Amino acid sequence: AQSVTQLGSHVSVSEGALVLLRCNYSSSVPPYLFWYVQYPNQGLQLLLKYTSAATLVKGINGFEAEFKKSETSFHLTKPSAHMSDAAEYFCAVSDPGSNYKLTFGKGTLLTVNP
Amino acid sequence: GAVVSQHPSWVICKSGTSVKIECRSLDFQATTMFWYRQFPKQSLMLMATSNEGSKATYEQGVEKDKFLINHASLTLSTLTVTSAHPEDSSFYICSAREGLIAEAFFGQGTRLTVV
Repeated sequence: AQSVTQLGSHVSVSEGALVLLRCNYSSSVPPYLFWYVQYPNQGLQLLLKYTSAATLVKGINGFEAEFKKSETSFHLTKPSAHMSDAAEYFCAVSDPGSNYKLTFGKGTLLTVNP
Repeated sequence: GAVVSQHPSWVICKSGTSVKIECRSLDFQATTMFWYRQFPKQSLMLMATSNEGSKATYEQGVEKDKFLINHASLTLSTLTVTSAHPEDSSFYICSAREGLIAEAFFGQGTRLTVV
């Protein structure tokens, strides 16, 4: 079974600082990996996805993530945090053995301090 | 990206009544739709997966008679919470996907409060 671990339920950075949100996965097959963002009382918006093409994936709003098979990681980064980046971030893995349903990590709340 | 519309965005109902939540794909055909439940400050818990024209597949521990899912067309799926109780209060989110490995797009969510 697939699983996702997000290290750090809460990350706090200063505006303009580097954002690093960690995600490790377990999968018996090459995975599809996703990062989603959720603002309060809203659904999820896709930031970026890895589907076995380039290992460095660029997404929306300046975010990017690097797939590292040797480390089973897919960490999300952004060089310079904006106040508008404050939200909940979810890493997810897609399971080809189960109708490609998504398994989510527990989420990381990002706060951005002025 | 594609748009998934979920309605209503919030609803308050009395204990014992039923509530229907709609999930529509506006600009694509959703061959598969997913229903999630999210508790405060927690992740999304998959409740069920539905394919158009087929019965939904429920995750372990989810009562299929309580959470009725219908996916009658390629653009609409509904979740009906029957005989709602206060413990059913939660944030419910749907997502829709066209094709097997296409990315899933999420609705805005529905905040259900049962009083």
